[in-house]
Amino acid sequence: QVTLKESGPVLVKPTETLTLTCTVSGFSLSNARMGVSWIRQPPGKALEWLAHIFSNDEKSYSTSLKSRLTISKDTSKSQVVLTMTNMDPVDTATYYCARRNSGYDFHYYYYMDVWGKGTTVTVSS
Amino acid sequence: DIQMTQSPSSLSASVGDRVTITCRASQGISNSLAWYQQKPGKAPKLLLYAASRLESGVPSRFSGSGSGTDYTLTISSLQPEDFATYYCQHQGWTFGQGTKVEIK
Repeated sequence: QVTLKESGPVLVKPTETLTLTCTVSGFSLSNARMGVSWIRQPPGKALEWLAHIFSNDEKSYSTSLKSRLTISKDTSKSQVVLTMTNMDPVDTATYYCARRNSGYDFHYYYYMDVWGKGTTVTVSS
Repeated sequence: DIQMTQSPSSLSASVGDRVTITCRASQGISNSLAWYQQKPGKAPKLLLYAASRLESGVPSRFSGSGSGTDYTLTISSLQPEDFATYYCQHQGWTFGQGTKVEIK
């Protein structure tokens, strides 16, 4: 059974750095077809993709947040870590990690087939 | 970056209705489109991928179609458990803004 579980602080202060950990089970972070993304959702708002790490350790970031994000992984621990610097109240959200799977049918296609339950982060002094 | 625009942003429908949600990409995306359902307080759930492939375990009343820039999610006969917010996503990256399906 494939699962992902987010962990991290519930409350952070403005200007602080947020560090979130996604612990996965049931698949390997070295599987070439798969990677792990972080997505967030502010209260009452839409989903926003933040960052992704590929099996070969390549990374991809949201253009609008790239300067504040760092994603990394520890394959031996089955963990993916996201750091976001200079937190602001507008960063208050539920943060999800999800497995990005892929396939090929004349073109490559990608989708997030397994999600964690999410962790809620509030930014407040 | 490719932008994804969903319409409508919300709709009211009755049990048994046929519901259609549209997702338009700012440029052609070669069917690399997924649809998710999200209920309040829950993580999104994958419904369809590669525009029209039904995820295992998802009821067959959900279907997807489209090509190029325009894609559609159809619920053939709305059930009580289908009232939720639906998102499209391109390439495992950009999400649409969501469509909330409410009870009429």
